[in-house]
Amino acid sequence: EAGVVQSPRYKIIEKKQPVAFWCNPISGHNTLYWYLQNLGQGPELLIRYENEEAVDDSQLPKDRFSAERLKGVDSTLKIQPAELGDSAVYLCASSQGSGGNEQFFGPGTRLTVL
Amino acid sequence: GENVEQHPSTLSVQEGDSAVIKCTYSDSASNYFPWYKQELGKRPQLIIDIRSNVGEKKDQRIAVTLNKTAKHFSLHITETQPEDSAVYFCAARPGYSSASKIIFGSGTRLSIRP
Repeated sequence: EAGVVQSPRYKIIEKKQPVAFWCNPISGHNTLYWYLQNLGQGPELLIRYENEEAVDDSQLPKDRFSAERLKGVDSTLKIQPAELGDSAVYLCASSQGSGGNEQFFGPGTRLTVL
Repeated sequence: GENVEQHPSTLSVQEGDSAVIKCTYSDSASNYFPWYKQELGKRPQLIIDIRSNVGEKKDQRIAVTLNKTAKHFSLHITETQPEDSAVYFCAARPGYSSASKIIFGSGTRLSIRP
């Protein structure tokens, strides 16, 4: 079974540029999460989808961050414009159903903003 | 909202000895407590979890204990081996969450000395 797939794995951009990350969850997993992980810290939830609906985006900085999961499968997270403080690893995870089911993480995208 | 505190932030133990990592949570209604292991440059992976109706769970060399009264849970690794070296994250699912949102602790970097 293929795991959660993310691309790109690494991205280096200059500040004020846009950037997008893509995630394909495990087949059949209806819940998808985007996390931000700073160095030496635990993952922090940015947004959670149940199918195509964003059910928790309270931690998403909506002035510059956006996300979509149009068909309830793969998802894109965008930052426009990027700032120096956005440098971090962006993790995608998925789970089957809700209620505390195991979250499976992707390898992450390491973003460096110069 | 839920807050999860984890300590110590770093832990070094002799190979073969035991390691204990402790976490506290703030929401007394929290009901699901997973532990994730993240090796350097890799994705977090679930190693064990416990639900609020259970006080202890064991899987080979790994065990987790939960004290709901004290709002405290711990990870115990016995007979540590070099491959146990990683960052470990505890997490808790708040009771107000009807689905699978979890809050992570800040992590413990475990090093096993040969």
